[in-house]
Amino acid sequence: RKEVEQDPGPFNVPEGATVAFNCTYSNSASQSFFWYRQDCRKEPKLLMSVYSSGNEDGRFTAQLNRASQYISLLIRDSKLSDSATYLCVVNLNQGGKLIFGQGTELSVKP
Amino acid sequence: EAGVTQFPSHSVIEKGQTVTLRCDPISGHDNLYWYRRVMGKEIKFLLHFVKESKQDESGMPNNRFLAERTGGTYSTLKVQPAELEDSGVYFCASRDLGQDTDTQYFGPGTRLTVL
Repeated sequence: RKEVEQDPGPFNVPEGATVAFNCTYSNSASQSFFWYRQDCRKEPKLLMSVYSSGNEDGRFTAQLNRASQYISLLIRDSKLSDSATYLCVVNLNQGGKLIFGQGTELSVKP
Repeated sequence: EAGVTQFPSHSVIEKGQTVTLRCDPISGHDNLYWYRRVMGKEIKFLLHFVKESKQDESGMPNNRFLAERTGGTYSTLKVQPAELEDSGVYFCASRDLGQDTDTQYFGPGTRLTVL
């Protein structure tokens, strides 16, 4: 079983759509949780950290359910510029190695 | 402020040759990490430096890989001899020791192709 599993992609959605990504992690001792975004042939960039209380940044909402070991990312009102691969990432201890999911590709069409 | 830089951006070598990748972290960042992504797989951790010391090298695949960070500034990752399965994108990331978040900043990566 992979340490971090994500929805298989790709997701193809029209502009303005709402899209949700799901992720599960296997190690209950995981301490920190993130969503990274990776554009084609570019480096991963932090999109947002994920907190137990849930957090929102503009059109993006992230949630964490520790009991179910489940992380989600919701994107509202999708833009063409949201097209990228979204990576679910966990960290077992602060400052330590990041554990990545395989990523889910999103393509937003006009 | 300059971000994490990596050199070269691309490298094509033949099986059995040696390649050295370089990473310059963000100035002042004591934590430096190496990761790689091989075709069709997720990004995987290789190792973690704190200053010049190896904090965690549990992800290094075998003894053909040697990472150094002399002086605690830039780091090199040498692959000797390279094998076909070493092909992939090698990312470096850095993090400030004093930072109160876990944010790691990634470099653009080195795309390694072993023929």
